[in-house]
Amino acid sequence: EAQLVESGGGLVQPGGSLRLSCAASGFTFRTYALSWVRQAPGKGLEWVSTISNNGGATYYADSVKGRFTISRDNSKNTLYLQINSLRAEDTAIYYCAKIAATTSAYWGQGTLVTVSS
Amino acid sequence: QTVVTQEPSFSVSPGGTVTLTCGLSSGSVSPSNYPAWYQQTPGQPPRTLIYNTNSRSSGVPDRFSGSILGNKAALTITGAQTDDESDYYCVLNVGSGMWVFGGGTKLTVL
Repeated sequence: EAQLVESGGGLVQPGGSLRLSCAASGFTFRTYALSWVRQAPGKGLEWVSTISNNGGATYYADSVKGRFTISRDNSKNTLYLQINSLRAEDTAIYYCAKIAATTSAYWGQGTLVTVSS
Repeated sequence: QTVVTQEPSFSVSPGGTVTLTCGLSSGSVSPSNYPAWYQQTPGQPPRTLIYNTNSRSSGVPDRFSGSILGNKAALTITGAQTDDESDYYCVLNVGSGMWVFGGGTKLTVL
C-alpha cells in the first residue's frame, strides 16, 4: 500500500526557514512526479509545487516562487520542500501528494507549519 | 491568474442526487485538464474520489461519478448518504506543470 509520511513542520518566526520531508513507500517512487499542497487553517487546498520524476523539472505557485524549493532524492524515496522567508500567511498544513494526470492521487497525513513570533 | 470555481455550498437529501461542478475562469474545462475530485472531512487529509475526469479511485463507491458537463467538470453523487457530508475539492491541470484547486464545496446531507 502506498504511503507518504511528512515531517519537519513546527513553529517558526517570520522570516525563518524550515525543511519539510516526505518519506514514501509502497510504490515506485522514481516513476512519479510529486507535489506539495497546503491548507491554511479553515481554508481550502492550495497547490504549492511539483517536481518531475527525475527532478529535472520543478513548478511553483506564484505565491511561493523564489522562497520555496522542491527537491527529491530517489535513492532515499524522499521528497523535500525547503521553505525560506516564511510569512504568517504560510501557516498551513503541508501535504505531500502524488497528484498525477492519469493515475489516482496518494496523500500524506500532513505536517503543520506555524509562522508566528 | 487562473481561477477554478466551485459552488461554495450545496445541500442534498439522503438518497438524492447532487452534481457539483468545477469551472475555469479562462474558458472551458476539457479532459486535457485531467480533472480530479477529492473528499475531505475535518482533521483528515483529502481522499481521492475521481481522477482523469471519470476514473474512480480504488475503493470508492460507484455512487460517485465524474464527467464533463458543458464547459465544466462535474462530480455526481447518486443516492447520497449522510456519510457523504464533507468538503469536496476539484483540481485541474492548467499546463506548464501547474495544478489549480477550486475553493471547495461544502456538502450538507439532510
